[in-house]
Amino acid sequence: QAGLTQPPSVSKGLRQTATLTCTGNINNVGNQGAAWLQQHQGHPPKLLSYRNNNRPSGISERFSASRSGNTASLTITGLQPEDEADYYCSAWDSSLSAVVFGGGTKLTVL
Amino acid sequence: EVQLVESGGGLVKPGGSLRLSCAASGFTFSSYTMNWVRQAPGKGLEWVSSISSSSSYIYYADSVKGRFTISRDNAKNSLYLQMNSLRAEDTAVYYCARDIGLDVWGKGTTVTVSS
Repeated sequence: QAGLTQPPSVSKGLRQTATLTCTGNINNVGNQGAAWLQQHQGHPPKLLSYRNNNRPSGISERFSASRSGNTASLTITGLQPEDEADYYCSAWDSSLSAVVFGGGTKLTVL
Repeated sequence: EVQLVESGGGLVKPGGSLRLSCAASGFTFSSYTMNWVRQAPGKGLEWVSSISSSSSYIYYADSVKGRFTISRDNAKNSLYLQMNSLRAEDTAVYYCARDIGLDVWGKGTTVTVSS
C-alpha cells in the first residue's frame, strides 16, 4: 500500500520554527486531512493533531497543523530540546480502505 | 484514565503462530474503531489492521492479509490479533491504537520471529 511522503530529516535551532510536510493524494490527505504523531526513542507514538488542526487536550499550542490540497503541514514554534523526536503523519485512504503512514521525519533541535 | 495494554508478544519460529491481546480501560471500548500498528526495529510505523466498533468492517494491510486475523470482544473490552504463518519480516513492536485518528496508543508488545 502506497504511503504518504515526508522528508526524512529536518534540523532547526533552539527557539526557531520548524515546518514538517506530508504529501498524499486526493484519497487520503486531500480527503479527510492528516493526523500528526510524535514519537520519542523507545516510546509509543503520541497524537499531536488530527484532521488538520484539532489538538488533543494537553498538547502544546506550539504545535499547529494545516492542509493545502494534498499536503499537510505541522508547524512547531519556539523549538525546545524535548521536541527532538520522530514525527509521523497518517491518514485514512478511502481508495485503499487502509490507514497510510508517512515514512517519518526525524527532527533535530540544534 | 484512558489506557491500552498489549500482551502476548514473544519469540516464535518462522511459520509459527501468536495471539496478541489489547486490554482497554477508561473509555467506552464498544464505541470505537480499533487498530493494530507495528514498528520493525529502526523503522517507521506500519498499519496492520483495523476493526470497526461492532466488527462489521475489518481491513488488513496487504502484507498480512490471509495470515493475520483481527477480532474484538466488546464485553471484555479487548482487541485481539491472531498471527499465523509468521515470517522474519513480521518482527516488530505491535501497538494497539484507538480510533481512525489513532488518538490513544498502548506501550506495545514485541514479536520476534526467528529460528
